[in-house]
Amino acid sequence: GAVVSQHPSRVICKSGTSVKIECRSLDFQATTMFWYRQFPKQSLMLMATSNEGSKATYEQGVEKDKFLINHASLTLSTLTVTSAHPEDSSFYICSASLGNEQYFGPGTRLTVT
Amino acid sequence: GEDVEQSLFLSVREGDSSVINCTYTDSSSTYLYWYKQEPGAGLQLLTYIFSNMDMKQDQRLTVLLNKKDKHLSLRIADTQTGDSAIYFCAERRGRDYGGATNKLIFGTGTLLAVQP
Repeated sequence: GAVVSQHPSRVICKSGTSVKIECRSLDFQATTMFWYRQFPKQSLMLMATSNEGSKATYEQGVEKDKFLINHASLTLSTLTVTSAHPEDSSFYICSASLGNEQYFGPGTRLTVT
Repeated sequence: GEDVEQSLFLSVREGDSSVINCTYTDSSSTYLYWYKQEPGAGLQLLTYIFSNMDMKQDQRLTVLLNKKDKHLSLRIADTQTGDSAIYFCAERRGRDYGGATNKLIFGTGTLLAVQP
């Protein structure tokens, strides 16, 4: 299947700082990428849909000013958690669409201290 | 309701078959997916089925779809210890624009434990 990478895989930051997570489709172009959040022992919660060249579409309850999404090219989307707080600690996973299939990155573990 | 539901836990012995069940919510969902997640890792797409199909088989995996009851199952034949993981079903909702703009709604996940 297609490969999606995320960077970094793990990050620890102090409360109040901002963190950027990158999602790349390595061997295909993705018009649409998705950002999910997963709490321990829980399912994935869709945060937003990222479309190349346009504004992201956020799910209800997700603050767009806190979770900034930029889809600068057909192979790269970034999620920036601004002014992070301990409650933002989570596992963030991106995915990229290729036809009818959606391929996921390996995830980024964010810990805010 | 809005939730895609799965049983939380399934334990099988190595070599037996595993059947993981999923009940989804949207009768207009076009595609239904099964993903596997190992600890601390992302999701691996295992297989998917189009809503006008009843069954799809891919090596050890068999997907059954009962559209009337909105029930999806994944059967793993000859289950191995390496199959131990969390399995998520997901439904794709929304109008179909070739898949590019549709979002997936995930089930609650089933932890499969394979005993040697």
